[in-house]
Amino acid sequence: QLQVQESGPGLVKPSETLSLTCIVSGDSISSSDYYWGWIRQPPGKGLEWIGTIYYSGTTFYNPSLKSRVTISVDTSKNQFSLRLSSVTAADTALYYCARLPHRGYSFMDVWGKGTTVTVSS
Amino acid sequence: DIVMTQSPDSLAVSLGERATINCKSSQSVLYISNNKNYLAWYQQKPGQPPKLLIYWASTRESGVPDRFSGGGSGTDFTLTINGLQAEDVAVYYCQQYYSTPLTFGGGTKVEIK
Repeated sequence: QLQVQESGPGLVKPSETLSLTCIVSGDSISSSDYYWGWIRQPPGKGLEWIGTIYYSGTTFYNPSLKSRVTISVDTSKNQFSLRLSSVTAADTALYYCARLPHRGYSFMDVWGKGTTVTVSS
Repeated sequence: DIVMTQSPDSLAVSLGERATINCKSSQSVLYISNNKNYLAWYQQKPGQPPKLLIYWASTRESGVPDRFSGGGSGTDFTLTINGLQAEDVAVYYCQQYYSTPLTFGGGTKVEIK
């Protein structure tokens, strides 16, 4: 059974870089069938897609975050990562990683439990 | 960007009754070449991640009870819960994957009347 799990610091200072990792277990991240992505949810609010990556390194980013976001993949560790630079309080959210089973643009069929990131000094 | 608008924001339905949630996209999410609507529905219970219910607008994810059904095409979609159960109390989101950025509706909270 495929599982994905987020990890990373729960507290980040304003203007610094948020870094999270998603560990994939139960399947290879290099499977040609899947993409992998990050989605966030501010407290009490809705869902926002951050970006998606393929094992080859192909990425799609939300234009609203594109200048600050980098998503990378490490196939040797079966994980992918999110970096969000110059964070502000508006980046405080529950961050989810997920699997996207359809090439390119897709829905998300497996989600992690999420990790809360608070931006505060 | 394709804007997804859900209605209502919340609804209260009696146990065993039908709940209907609407989702409207600002442009069509129907891909003509394969006749598929790039629209998914999720259920999110408190303290849990979203759970995929429906994709391709009407295909139920494996393990999802058949009281959940999705319909619609183009720009107008519905999620119907026939025979609401107590465990269906949640927030429901639609999502389009026709184009990037992938976008979600604002959510509809379903409660028991």
